[in-house]
Amino acid sequence: ETGVTQSPTHLIKTRGQQVTLRCSSQSGHNTVSWYQQALGQGPQFIFQYYREEENGRGNFPPRFSGLQFPNYSSELNVNALELDDSALYLCASSLEGGITEAFFGQGTRLTVV
Amino acid sequence: GENVEQHPSTLSVQEGDSAVIKCTYSDSASNYFPWYKQELGKRPQLIIDIRSNMDKRQGQRVTVLLNKTVKHLSLQIAATQPGDSAVYFCAEGDSSYKLIFGSGTRLLVRP
Repeated sequence: ETGVTQSPTHLIKTRGQQVTLRCSSQSGHNTVSWYQQALGQGPQFIFQYYREEENGRGNFPPRFSGLQFPNYSSELNVNALELDDSALYLCASSLEGGITEAFFGQGTRLTVV
Repeated sequence: GENVEQHPSTLSVQEGDSAVIKCTYSDSASNYFPWYKQELGKRPQLIIDIRSNMDKRQGQRVTVLLNKTVKHLSLQIAATQPGDSAVYFCAEGDSSYKLIFGSGTRLLVRP
């Protein structure tokens, strides 16, 4: 059984640029959620994808968008980067069919300068 | 709105003592409450969870209590070890699978 993997692990971008972060879900999991974790804070829910459809969204602007592919891997795209977007971005995969454990990836550390 | 308050923000205990972390959640529809441990630079890892049909659950050296009436959660770590030093997060979840996290407790276990 493979775990949740994210790429890249670290990224530096300039304000105004666009970024794409990637996540491979754990084998057998069809639900992927994305979280933003600012330094010293708890993770904040961005959105969730279930079977390639967005299944809920947190309080993030439309410049945060995502995709889920038929193999259940996922991308998080952020346009028009702002300095406050600097954070650790975590994806978590989980099983369908009720509330079950969310398995987190190791995260992508994004720095916007 | 959805909110999870967690305290204390930092906790220092002597090795072998117990550590207790408390959370208060706001959404009465929440029915899943996981606790995650996050070591520096690493991913959050589930240490124990509890569902709303239970009021207590025990694992290895960890106990979680749930009081749905007052929307309180607590995590007790018994016989703490230096390896328990990390940031601990409580969270609440509902049928949408979205998790709302507390702000974290930094636990330091002094040898």
